[in-house]
Amino acid sequence: GQNIDQPTEMTATEGAIVQINCTYQTSGFNGLFWYQQHAGEAPTFLSYNVLDGLEEKGRFSSFLSRSKGYSYLLLKELQMKDSASYLCAVRDGDYKLSFGAGTTVTVRA
Amino acid sequence: TAGITQAPTSQILAAGRSMTLRCTQDMRHNAMYWYRQDLGLGLRLIHYSNTAGTTGKGEVPDGYSVSRANTDDFPLTLASAVPSQTSVYFCASSEAASNEQFFGPGTRLTVL
Repeated sequence: GQNIDQPTEMTATEGAIVQINCTYQTSGFNGLFWYQQHAGEAPTFLSYNVLDGLEEKGRFSSFLSRSKGYSYLLLKELQMKDSASYLCAVRDGDYKLSFGAGTTVTVRA
Repeated sequence: TAGITQAPTSQILAAGRSMTLRCTQDMRHNAMYWYRQDLGLGLRLIHYSNTAGTTGKGEVPDGYSVSRANTDDFPLTLASAVPSQTSVYFCASSEAASNEQFFGPGTRLTVL
C-alpha cells in the first residue's frame, strides 16, 4: 500500500510563492501526480513526474526525488484563483492511484 | 464536449435501500475508476476497470459493486446503503491505465 503525507493547510499572499511538500512510502512506484481541486468541484490534473527532477508548466512546477520519497509542487505568482486544495497522488506498479488527504491553499489579497 | 458525466448530482438515501450511481464518458477511454472522497481522508479507490468487460477491487470495495458492459459506462451500485457510505463519489477515466485520469463532477450521497 501507500502512505502519503502532505500538510493540511497553507496560507500565502497574492503574488507570492508557495511550496507544497509531499512525502510517500510505497510498495511500488510508477509516477507521482498533482491535482488541483476547487471547493465543490472535481480534481483536475496539474502535473506528472516519473523521473527525478523538476517539471515546469507555466506558474506551476513539480519536483520529484524517488530516493527520498519526496515531491513538491511550487506555485509562483499566486493569484486569488489558486485558492484550492492540492492533491498529491502516487501510482503503484498496478497503475492504481493513491491520494494524499490534500493541502488547502488560501491566497490572501 | 461532455467528457465525463455523473448522475445524480446529489441524492439522499434511506439506509437499507439500493442505489446506482451512473458514470458515462465520451472520450473512448479504456480505463475507468470510482473513488469516494471524505473529509480528511482524501480520495480512495473503490473499484476500477482497465478495459470493457473487466473490473477490479480498489482500496475500499466492500458494500459496492460495478459492471463494465461497454467502453462508455461504469455504474456503481450500493446494494444496501449504510450511513458510512455518505460521501462524495467521483468517477474518473483515462485513455489507458498508464495515463492521467480525468474526473467527473461528482455525486454527493447522503445515507440516513
